[in-house]
Amino acid sequence: GAVVSQHPSRVICKSGTSVKIECRSLDFQATTMFWYRQFPKQSLMLMATSNEGSKATYEQGVEKDKFLINHASLTLSTLTVTSAHPEDSSFYICSARDYGTVGTYGYTFGSGTRLTVV
Amino acid sequence: LAKTTQPISMDSYEGQEVNITCSHNNIATNDYITWYQQFPSQGPRFIIQGYKTKVTNEVASLFIPADRKSSTLSLPRVSLSDTAVYYCLVGGRPNTGFQKLVFGTGTRLLVSP
Repeated sequence: GAVVSQHPSRVICKSGTSVKIECRSLDFQATTMFWYRQFPKQSLMLMATSNEGSKATYEQGVEKDKFLINHASLTLSTLTVTSAHPEDSSFYICSARDYGTVGTYGYTFGSGTRLTVV
Repeated sequence: LAKTTQPISMDSYEGQEVNITCSHNNIATNDYITWYQQFPSQGPRFIIQGYKTKVTNEVASLFIPADRKSSTLSLPRVSLSDTAVYYCLVGGRPNTGFQKLVFGTGTRLLVSP
């Protein structure tokens, strides 16, 4: 089945630095990927839609200059948390959909990235 | 996107059947119902998807009444490893363009020995 690989799985960074998270579709092409954030004991919150070759679409309340998204190829989207602060500490998850395989339903999610800003 | 309502939590014991009901009163004609499972510190995993009546796969069954305003995920003979959060989502038809998934609160299932 479709596989989405997300790296790193865990990252600790100092306040004020930037962190890049990668999301790759391993065996299919994804013109659209989605980025979510999840705080402890809470549901996933959609942050943005990543579009290959064009600008990302951000959900209301998400700062596009803080959460930079780049989708330069059909298999890779990156999320960069710029000037990270402790309140950005969270679990970040990406997802994509394999439309090319008949009988594939639902979205495939990455394993997530635990970001801790100290 | 239709809003969904699920119980916040459920408890069960190993070997029992668990039924989790989701309400989606404003479901649109073209909306499908999809359930995902999420373990701690992992991304959600697709469980099952359906449009009407009943769908069954190797891990679960999905029951959808005629009015489609609710759906029930049925997990037969749960084990400790089924302890997870289960999300019900409704959205557009599969394989017809992208759709962004909006997650509700989910149901936290705890299976005890």
